[in-house]
Amino acid sequence: IAGITQAPTSQILAAGRRMTLRCTQDMRHNAMYWYRQDLGLGLRLIHYSNTAGTTGKGEVPDGYSVSRANTDDFPLTLASAVPSQTSVYFCASSSGGASTDTQYFGPGTRLTVL
Amino acid sequence: TQLLEQSPQFLSIQEGENLTVYCNSSSVFSSLQWYRQEPGEGPVLLVTVVTGGEVKKLKRLTFQFGDARKDSSLHITAAQPGDTGLYLCAGAKIQGAQKLVFGQGTRLTINP
Repeated sequence: IAGITQAPTSQILAAGRRMTLRCTQDMRHNAMYWYRQDLGLGLRLIHYSNTAGTTGKGEVPDGYSVSRANTDDFPLTLASAVPSQTSVYFCASSSGGASTDTQYFGPGTRLTVL
Repeated sequence: TQLLEQSPQFLSIQEGENLTVYCNSSSVFSSLQWYRQEPGEGPVLLVTVVTGGEVKKLKRLTFQFGDARKDSSLHITAAQPGDTGLYLCAGAKIQGAQKLVFGQGTRLTINP
């Protein structure tokens, strides 16, 4: 069982370019999340999805969009990347949407915007 | 402003010593989780506490949720090099809500 996979592992991107970070889970979890991790700030929630077809905004959603066409995939798109979006991005999933549910994290994507 | 403040942010101690990491807030949380993260990997859940005053033990790790559900602590007894990592606390403000707020993390190094 792979759990959660993310692609690419790392990427260097020119400012202004469009970029989609991919996330796939094979656990049939209903809820999925995107976080960014920056030094000294911990993880901050960007967007989440309670179930396929629904999405919601997290703490830092500006500049990012998501879609949830099916249970397994939850791509994160940067429409026009800016240097402040340089970060490590983690996708996570949980069986349900309860705060006590275990969130399972992918290995992360390290994104550098120049 | 960080909703959950962890202290210390960095800690380097010798193998065999004890340590405590704190996670504090002025807000009340319905539940709190502790995660451990190793370099190049995502965080992995260690424990979830939901009741004020609750204490949970995981081998040499002891987790406590404050009576008022505003703070938590992680105590490690006889630390080992394998305990090295980034420890993150995460709280949920509304019962049933999946939005977690993370502390900034404590980077722990255990020296042999």
